[in-house]
Amino acid sequence: AQSVTQPDIHITVSEGASLELRCNYSYGATPYLFWYVQSPGQGLQLLLKYFSGDTLVQGIKGFEAEFKRSQSSFNLRKPSVHWSDAAEYFCAVSGGSYIPTFGRGTSLIVHP
Amino acid sequence: DTGVSQDPRHKITKRGQNVTFRCDPISEHNRLYWYRQTLGQGPEFLTYFQNEAQLEKSRLLSDRFSAERPKGSFSTLEIQRTEQGDSAMYLCASSYGGGRENEQFFGPGTRLTVL
Repeated sequence: AQSVTQPDIHITVSEGASLELRCNYSYGATPYLFWYVQSPGQGLQLLLKYFSGDTLVQGIKGFEAEFKRSQSSFNLRKPSVHWSDAAEYFCAVSGGSYIPTFGRGTSLIVHP
Repeated sequence: DTGVSQDPRHKITKRGQNVTFRCDPISEHNRLYWYRQTLGQGPEFLTYFQNEAQLEKSRLLSDRFSAERPKGSFSTLEIQRTEQGDSAMYLCASSYGGGRENEQFFGPGTRLTVL
């Protein structure tokens, strides 16, 4: 079975500060990994995905994520956060099933 | 913009009533998915269709839930005899193809409140 853990329920950062959201996955083989963002009243939007190759993945809106097999992690980063980045962030893993399993999400709060 | 649309966006109903939600996927997408999202949780898979065929159902999909995609285009999700535990956001997503790498595009969701 596949699973995802997002250990931080809330993260608060100041505008302009760097950001790292943690994601740990469980899957026996090579996982397909995703980060989605959900703003209030909106559907989920894909930020980036990892399937194979370069373990540092670039996404939209200036986000990147690094796949570390040894740590079963896929942390999301952004060097400088903007107030518009305040949202809910979900990590997801797709293993043997074509259906992704989502983490519980991390709520990002951005202080001016 | 021809993204995934869902109707209604909000639904308030009394316990025991039936409700139906509609999802219109992106037109060229052959796969359609339904998820449920409760407060403080990520989306949980309910069921998916490839064209008009319903290929997989989650254990979360009790016999009070039924989904259809009659012509391989829009889909409906019906909940019969609603219970307070059915209160959640119901999300629809679509994709072109069914590989693990295929991006799912999500609609804005239908928020159900059962009183």
